[in-house]
Amino acid sequence: QKEVEQNSGPLSVPEGAIASLNCTYSDRGSQSFFWYRQYSGKSPELIMFIYSNGDKEDGRFTAQLNKASQYVSLLIRDSQPSDSATYLCAVSNYGQNFVFGPGTRLSVLP
Amino acid sequence: EAQVTQNPRYLITVTGKKLTVTCSQNMNHEYMSWYRQDPGLGLRQIYYSMNVEVTDKGDVPEGYKVSRKEKRNFPLILESPSPNQTSLYFCASSFRPRDPQHFGDGTRLSIL
Repeated sequence: QKEVEQNSGPLSVPEGAIASLNCTYSDRGSQSFFWYRQYSGKSPELIMFIYSNGDKEDGRFTAQLNKASQYVSLLIRDSQPSDSATYLCAVSNYGQNFVFGPGTRLSVLP
Repeated sequence: EAQVTQNPRYLITVTGKKLTVTCSQNMNHEYMSWYRQDPGLGLRQIYYSMNVEVTDKGDVPEGYKVSRKEKRNFPLILESPSPNQTSLYFCASSFRPRDPQHFGDGTRLSIL
């Protein structure tokens, strides 16, 4: 059974701080890695995706991937109250199914 | 506008009454999936489809059926719904399995 694990939170950070979200996965064959943001009652929306080891930056968001450690993280700089949501980590093995983690609830305090 | 459309958005029904949740995408995506989301369990994949007439089981396929007769449509069928299938359901699509998925707005099913 392929597994993706995340701390459920809630993770609370003050406004303007860096939020760090972590994810580990069990399937060494995983090739694609995604971070989605989900507001309560809404559908997941894509924040970042990363395929190669290292860092990938997009605005205030940075995804970090370490395949050897089977670890992927998301950093949110200058956190805003509007960033308060559940963040879902997902992994995919080409040609097979997607697996999502349970999500981490982030609360950014004004 | 590129989108994934699910219907209905909300449904309350009774045990054993067959129902179908439709999913349609207008992006010419080959890969489509169905997920259910339950508190504390996250999103779990029910079925996925790599292309027309190609479907496969995800992690929680029991009690569900799907079909992919056309590229744009991927209906989810509950032949004999039971209360443990009460959940929030999402359809998603992408060009390939490795690509980010686009999600529909969700369907909240309540089986009494």
